[in-house]
Amino acid sequence: LAKTTQPISMDSYEGQEVNITCSHNNIATNDYITWYQQFPSQGPRFIIQGYKTKVTNEVASLFIPADRKSSTLSLPRVSLSDTAVYYCLVALPTGGGNKLTFGTGTQLKVEL
Amino acid sequence: EAQVTQNPRYLITVTGKKLTVTCSQNMNHEYMSWYRQDPGLGLRQIYYSMNVEVTDKGDVPEGYKVSRKEKRNFPLILESPSPNQTSLYFCASSRLDSGLRETQYFGPGTRLLVL
Repeated sequence: LAKTTQPISMDSYEGQEVNITCSHNNIATNDYITWYQQFPSQGPRFIIQGYKTKVTNEVASLFIPADRKSSTLSLPRVSLSDTAVYYCLVALPTGGGNKLTFGTGTQLKVEL
Repeated sequence: EAQVTQNPRYLITVTGKKLTVTCSQNMNHEYMSWYRQDPGLGLRQIYYSMNVEVTDKGDVPEGYKVSRKEKRNFPLILESPSPNQTSLYFCASSRLDSGLRETQYFGPGTRLLVL
């Protein structure tokens, strides 16, 4: 059964690099992998998106291995304001076509 | 300003009273979708639409209806709400690039309580 899993929570300190991995063992071949950040009572906010290999923008990097069975969000030098829940979003093939599925979410807590 | 708007933001209703949550986007996006978010269950897709008059079920469509008569609007309809539909609802939209869904932009959310 295809599913998308992430660690439930992670703790870090300001200034450290944080890597969050999402496992998606049966991803659709023709869709992006996207990561979102969500603060309480707000809608998810886009962080980064990629299809394969490595993508980097001003806030994060995304590493996707060739088999696309996982993806890793890398946040360099986190700060207190990065405390949030992080979700991966992938398309999983089903009998009725590809369905977008959020990962289980990772609560990141950043401390001083 | 590019945005996705939802109305109402908060709603308390009673079982069986039909309601509609509106969603509108001003980015000319082809793809729109609805999600519900529940503690311990994360974000789950209810319905989505690839373009005008094209809609399809997500993971949890039971008890919901949608329509896409115009590109910018994608209302979520609960014909006969029940308490198990109490949840936080998000609408989202994105551009389609050669069939690939690009970045989804999310609305601010609608918190629904069904008594």
